[in-house]
Amino acid sequence: LAKTTQPISMDSYEGQEVNITCSHNNIATNDYITWYQQFPSQGPRFIIQGYKTKVTNEVASLFIPADRKSSTLSLPRVSLSDTAVYYCLVGGLDRGSTLGRLYFGRGTQLTVWP
Amino acid sequence: ETGVTQSPTHLIKTRGQQVTLRCSSQSGHNTVSWYQQALGQGPQFIFQYYREEENGRGNFPPRFSGLQFPNYSSELNVNALELDDSALYLCASSLGQPGGTDTQYFGPGTRLTVL
Repeated sequence: LAKTTQPISMDSYEGQEVNITCSHNNIATNDYITWYQQFPSQGPRFIIQGYKTKVTNEVASLFIPADRKSSTLSLPRVSLSDTAVYYCLVGGLDRGSTLGRLYFGRGTQLTVWP
Repeated sequence: ETGVTQSPTHLIKTRGQQVTLRCSSQSGHNTVSWYQQALGQGPQFIFQYYREEENGRGNFPPRFSGLQFPNYSSELNVNALELDDSALYLCASSLGQPGGTDTQYFGPGTRLTVL
C-alpha cells in the first residue's frame, strides 16, 4: 500500500484558495487518489477522487501530475466552515480482491481564519 | 447526511468488559468497514464485511470481531476491553464496486471510553 505524506497543518483566511499537496511516491498502477474531510467527532466525508490529470466537482479540484507521485487538493474560496482535517488516501484493488479498503494517515489540519 | 447511523453515540465501559457497537448502512450497500480512531490520529482499518462474510482485517487482535446482517446492519464486538481501546469507532458502508473507486460513506461514530 502506498504511503502518503502531507503537511500536518495549514492556515488560511476566508476567501482564499487553499492547496494541500500530498506525496505518494510508491503509488501503484491501479491505485486511485481519494481525499476525505473530517470535522471533530464526526466521520470522514468523501470530497473527491481521481486517477490522473484533473478532476473537479462542486466543492474541490484535484490535480494529479503525469507521474502520479503527488496530488494537490484545491479548495476555492475557503470559509470558516472548511476548518477540518483533510486526509489523502491512495489505494485501489487489493490483490485478489474486488474491494478496496482505506488506510488513513494523520491528515492535514486546515484552519481558516476570519 | 450519509445515511449511515451508529449507536450508541457515547459509551463508557470498564477494563475487562465487553462491548457491542452497532451500525446501520445505506440501503443497498453490501460492504461495511469498521475503523478505530484514537485522539489526534487518522482512522485505522479494523475489518471489512462483504455480503455477511469477513473480507479482510487490519492489525487488530481477535478480541475485535464483527457481524453483518442481511438488513444492512452490522456489529462490532470487543471483548476484554483495555484502556487503549478508548477511541472513536467508525463504520463505513459502500456499494462494493470493483475498480478501486468504491466510495465509503461514514457514520458519525461511537465514542468509547474505557476506564
